[in-house]
Amino acid sequence: AQSVAQPEDQVNVAEGNPLTVKCTYSVSGNPYLFWYVQYPNRGLQFLLKYITGDNLVKGSYGFEAEFNKSQTSFHLKKPSALVSDSALYFCAVRDNGADKIIFGKGTRLHILP
Amino acid sequence: EPEVTQTPSHQVTQMGQEVILRCVPISNHLYFYWYRQILGQKVEFLVSFYNNEISEKSEIFDDQFSVERPDGSNFTLKIRSTKLEDSAMYFCASTVAGGLSYEQYFGPGTRLTVT
Repeated sequence: AQSVAQPEDQVNVAEGNPLTVKCTYSVSGNPYLFWYVQYPNRGLQFLLKYITGDNLVKGSYGFEAEFNKSQTSFHLKKPSALVSDSALYFCAVRDNGADKIIFGKGTRLHILP
Repeated sequence: EPEVTQTPSHQVTQMGQEVILRCVPISNHLYFYWYRQILGQKVEFLVSFYNNEISEKSEIFDDQFSVERPDGSNFTLKIRSTKLEDSAMYFCASTVAGGLSYEQYFGPGTRLTVT
């Protein structure tokens, strides 16, 4: 069965520093990977996806993610964090042959001024 | 930019009552979904809907749950007899097509509190 793991419940980063939010996946076929962000009292917003092609995927708000097949990872990154990036981040995988998205448990990102 | 909308934002109901959660998906989208997030837990898939039929449902989506697209714009989730454990944030989502590469767009959610 498809699954994603987010090993960190919380990540703290100083404003202006680079940030990384970790995600590893387990899939039986080709991975279809996504990152979503949830701001307080808001829904899940799509950030970026990896389907095929370049291992470095660029998304919204300056975020990017690096797909690493050998390490089965899809870490979310940003070169310079903003306080407004503080939110809950979910890694997700599309279930092969099915409709549903399977989410990780989420990582809370705190950007410290 | 088009958005998925959901009403109400917060619903409080008593155990055993019926509730209907409403969603308006993005207008050109054809696939519709409901997910839920119990406080502090993962977002979980409930059901997917396409061409006026359920295409997939999870174990959570038992006989107490039903979905409907009563007109060309709304997509509803009904819980016939709510239980305390139904308290959660319910998210509606839609996507333009059913292929694996298509991201799902989520609404802001309805917080359901069952007392």
